[in-house]
Amino acid sequence: GQQVMQIPQYQHVQEGEDFTTYCNSSTTLSNIQWYKQRPGGHPVFLIQLVKSGEVKKQKRLTFQFGEAKKNSSLHITATQTTDVGTYFCAGYRDDKIIFGKGTRLHILP
Amino acid sequence: EAQVTQNPRYLITVTGKKLTVTCSQNMNHEYMSWYRQDPGLGLRQIYYSMNVEVTDKGDVPEGYKVSRKEKRNFPLILESPSPNQTSLYFCASSPQLAGTPGDTQYFGPGTRLTVL
Repeated sequence: GQQVMQIPQYQHVQEGEDFTTYCNSSTTLSNIQWYKQRPGGHPVFLIQLVKSGEVKKQKRLTFQFGEAKKNSSLHITATQTTDVGTYFCAGYRDDKIIFGKGTRLHILP
Repeated sequence: EAQVTQNPRYLITVTGKKLTVTCSQNMNHEYMSWYRQDPGLGLRQIYYSMNVEVTDKGDVPEGYKVSRKEKRNFPLILESPSPNQTSLYFCASSPQLAGTPGDTQYFGPGTRLTVL
């Protein structure tokens, strides 16, 4: 069945370093969304990508959707302690939504 | 304030004792969904509803029931809970069918369920 693989599962970075998480789908997606979940919290919507090759930026966060609409990435520049949490991608195809397993980001001071 | 509420937030129960977790949204959203979150497995969709009286199975529907009699409410029912249903449950809603451009999913605060 449809799968969305997300890597890495965990990432430890020094504060100020960059961070990237990747999502790969076995099938072409209609669109992809990214969510952030703080420890003990609930997922919060960050952004949605719809077009092939789309790139969107939110301050230090850059989101990309692959040309084939099968992969996506989230890149954080110069991480800060407020970036701590788990980042999930969610791919949509037909009526189905599949979440990646998430990447847990730890920031070392 | 626009929000998704869930009750209870925490629940400890025993095997076989029927329970209901309520979910309510005040944003007039058409689409509602239930997820469970387990360590190492991420978020998995249990059931979803595209509108009143319209529900469909997600990836892990076994052992669960839902109903959508009103637009704002989408309760999750465990008729005979088992220990493998111990998990963190999230309800979510969005303005229209998930996947349509612009339809952000808003998540509730979560319900932590333990089945002994």
